[in-house]
Amino acid sequence: GENVEQHPSTLSVQEGDSAVIKCTYSDSASNYFPWYKQELGKGPQLIIDIRSNVGEKKDQRIAVTLNKTAKHFSLHITETQPEDSAVYFCAASTKAGTALIFGKGTTLSVSS
Amino acid sequence: NAGVTQTPKFQVLKTGQSMTLQCAQDMNHEYMSWYRQDPGMGLRLIHYSVGAGITDQGEVPNGYNVSRSTTEDFPLRLLSAAPSQTSVYFCASRMWTESSYEQYFGPGTRLTVT
Repeated sequence: GENVEQHPSTLSVQEGDSAVIKCTYSDSASNYFPWYKQELGKGPQLIIDIRSNVGEKKDQRIAVTLNKTAKHFSLHITETQPEDSAVYFCAASTKAGTALIFGKGTTLSVSS
Repeated sequence: NAGVTQTPKFQVLKTGQSMTLQCAQDMNHEYMSWYRQDPGMGLRLIHYSVGAGITDQGEVPNGYNVSRSTTEDFPLRLLSAAPSQTSVYFCASRMWTESSYEQYFGPGTRLTVT
């Protein structure tokens, strides 16, 4: 079945460093790739997304890149801050668009 | 807009009890869904709906029922709770168009089954 692999499962960085989280997906028909941030005790919140007809998208300190050929997409956070500490999930849409398949999450810790 | 709301926030059930988790959205979204989140497992889709009267199963539907009588509400029913259903449950909604895939999540319900 459809699958999304996410790495690493935990990531610790110093404030100001960059953080990169990588995902691979199995369904070549996937065309939408969102990234969610989940803070403790809260629901996931969409932070950035990318469609399959775009290779890169930026929003201030965060960016997402997509390599459709390799079925890889990545989240890049620059100049990390302690408030970036959270669990991050990647996801890929199913062929019919009826669901998102999620990765298992990355716990990012930013120390000051 | 309140967005996606869920009640209750916390619930403890005994094995075999039944209950309904409530979900409502005020964004006029056609698509609504339920996920469960377990440690190290990410979010897994239980059931979804693309409009009133239309529901379908997701990845982990066993033990759960849903119905969609209005656009706003999408309750999740546990008919006979089991310890394996201990989890955090999230409801989500989005518009049902090819141009809009943005999905919004509720705050979650933490369920413990003893």
